[in-house]
Amino acid sequence: GAVVSQHPSWVICKSGTSVKIECRSLDFQATTMFWYRQFPKQSLMLMATSNEGSKATYEQGVEKDKFLINHASLTLSTLTVTSAHPEDSSFYICSARNTLNSASYYFGPGTRLTVT
Amino acid sequence: EDQVTQSPEALRLQEGESSSLNCSYTVSGLRGLFWYRQDPGKGPEFLFTLYSAGEEKEKERLKATLTKKESFLHITAPKPEDSATYLCAVRSSSNSGYALNFGKGTSLLVTP
Repeated sequence: GAVVSQHPSWVICKSGTSVKIECRSLDFQATTMFWYRQFPKQSLMLMATSNEGSKATYEQGVEKDKFLINHASLTLSTLTVTSAHPEDSSFYICSARNTLNSASYYFGPGTRLTVT
Repeated sequence: EDQVTQSPEALRLQEGESSSLNCSYTVSGLRGLFWYRQDPGKGPEFLFTLYSAGEEKEKERLKATLTKKESFLHITAPKPEDSATYLCAVRSSSNSGYALNFGKGTSLLVTP
């Protein structure tokens, strides 16, 4: 099946620093990628929709200047959490939609971010 | 606004005890209802996509069905390895970005 990777799988950073998370579709092209965050025992909450070559669309309440998204190629999207704070600690998951089969959504394994 | 409600929140079954999980939805123009399985600390794993009322799909011990208002995930003779959180999500025409909108999930525990 289609594979989506995320890197790193976990990261610990100090408050005030920035962290970049990569999401790659390994065997298909993804015009659109999505970024979600998930708090313990809760469901996935959509943060933003990332389209290759254009600006991301952010959900209401998500600060675009804090969560920088770049989708520079059909297989790579990055999420940068800037000036991270402890409340940003969460499980971040990306999803990629197959360009050729737009009904297929594949998810990465997630990145556990802990801000101390 | 799309709404996805899953029930029960948690379900405990004995091995071999069949049951069903429910996903009720309210959307304007369903463009697909998705079921995923999520293990702790991992990303969701795709199970099924359903598009129209009356559609059914099966995979091993799992069977997903769809009506105009809800979907069921039937688990027949579950095994302990079926323990996971099962997530339901919808894609609708109201979401121009085609993102999936998730329910809160049902946490399933199957005991030996």
